[in-house]
Amino acid sequence: GESVGLHLPTLSVQEGDNSIINCAYSNSASDYFIWYKQESGKGPQFIIDIRSNMDKRQGQRVTVLLNKTVKHLSLQIAATQPGDSAVYFCAEKSGGSYIPTFGRGTSLIVHP
Amino acid sequence: GAVVSQHPSWVICKSGTSVKIECRSLDFQATTMFWYRQFPKQSLMLMATSNEGSKATYEQGVEKDKFLINHASLTLSTLTVTSAHPEDSSFYICSAPGQGSQETQYFGPGTRLLVL
Repeated sequence: GESVGLHLPTLSVQEGDNSIINCAYSNSASDYFIWYKQESGKGPQFIIDIRSNMDKRQGQRVTVLLNKTVKHLSLQIAATQPGDSAVYFCAEKSGGSYIPTFGRGTSLIVHP
Repeated sequence: GAVVSQHPSWVICKSGTSVKIECRSLDFQATTMFWYRQFPKQSLMLMATSNEGSKATYEQGVEKDKFLINHASLTLSTLTVTSAHPEDSSFYICSAPGQGSQETQYFGPGTRLLVL
C-alpha cells in the first residue's frame, strides 16, 4: 500500500504487480512533464515524458497519464520487477524554461 | 545518449575546508549546466544555473560566496563549497540540457559530501 507522512511517501508492491505512482503538480501553466527514476546514491534517470496537449503516453512497461483538470500526473509500471525499486520523481516545466521543478518523490519498494 | 559525469563521487572533509566538485558533459557541449542539492529522503532543489563564460545565476536563498560556480569551458562546470560545515553535507547533482532538445536534462551520478 501507499503511505504519506513526514518522510518520503512509500509504495510497496509484490513483484509482478502493476504499480501506480501519483503526483500532484501546482502550476497550471506547466506544459511539459517528466518522470525520473532515482536509484540509491545515483542521479535521476529519465523514464518518460508527456506534453500538456496529451493525456496519455506509453513506453516500455510504463504509462504516464495526465489530468490537467485536477493537475494530476501518474506513472504506471506494468509487471513491476525488483529492479524497479527506486525513488520516482515527477517534474514539471512551463513556457520556454528548461529547468524542471521536481515534485516530492515516491519511494517504490518491490518485494520478490 | 548524452553522458554527464561528476568527480569525485564522494568526499569527506573537515569543517572549514573547501571542496571542489566537477561536472563534465562527456560527448556533447553544454553552455548551461545546473547544480542541485538533495538532502536524504527529499527532492532535488535547484541551487544555481551555471553559464559558460559568464556568471552563474543563483536561486533564492543560495549564498553565491559560499557555493562558487565556474563554467570555464563548454564541457566543464565546477562547484566549490567554501569553508564547508556539517550542514553542507548533502548529495550534489549536476545536469545539462541535451543538444537536440533543450527540454531533456541529463543528470550526473551525483557527489556525496560529508563534512565532519
